[in-house]
Amino acid sequence: EAGVTQSPTHLIKTRGQQATLRCSPISGHTSVYWYQQALGLGLQFLLWYDEGEERNRGNFPPRFSGRQFPNYSSELNVNALELEDSALYLCASSLGSAGLQTQYFGPGTRLLVL
Amino acid sequence: QKEVEQNSGPLSVPEGAIASLNCTYSDRGSQSFFWYRQYSGKSPELIMFIYSNGDKEDGRFTAQLNKASQYVSLLIRDSQPSDSATYLCAAYGSSNTGKLIFGQGTTLQVKP
Repeated sequence: EAGVTQSPTHLIKTRGQQATLRCSPISGHTSVYWYQQALGLGLQFLLWYDEGEERNRGNFPPRFSGRQFPNYSSELNVNALELEDSALYLCASSLGSAGLQTQYFGPGTRLLVL
Repeated sequence: QKEVEQNSGPLSVPEGAIASLNCTYSDRGSQSFFWYRQYSGKSPELIMFIYSNGDKEDGRFTAQLNKASQYVSLLIRDSQPSDSATYLCAAYGSSNTGKLIFGQGTTLQVKP
């Protein structure tokens, strides 16, 4: 069974640009989650999508946004990039949205903002 | 007080020893707990989850949960150098937010 996939693996942008990160969940999983892991910091929750709807977002500014497509894949967009957005962005998926599902992580996209 | 707390380490154990990793949480309503292993530069990999008080064993790994003390632990028996990594404890809060709350992680070093 294929795991969570993310693309690209690395992304280099300059301040003010926009970044688009993509995620495909495990087959059969309908929930997708996004986390940010900045260097030396823990995983911070960004967004949760289920059945095409945004269910929750973490404490991040509105320039972090995303969507989930009918095939349950997801896209994270970061507008007006700032230097501190440099981080590993992790996507996870789970079966359904009933509270306590195990989240499985993809390999991540490493974003560098210059 | 952090919602999920771990000692950052490093925890150093000799090869073949038992490594004990600990985690406390503040939300008494938390019901499910997860241990992930993260190698440097890689993404978190699920090791175990535990929902009920007591012990849960899977191979060399044993997770322990004590809800009264709000304490979760992970024991690694017969530690190997390949177990050297950062171990992340995570929990869902009491409300259905989809958000896994992670501790800062404990770095484990297993010395040959």
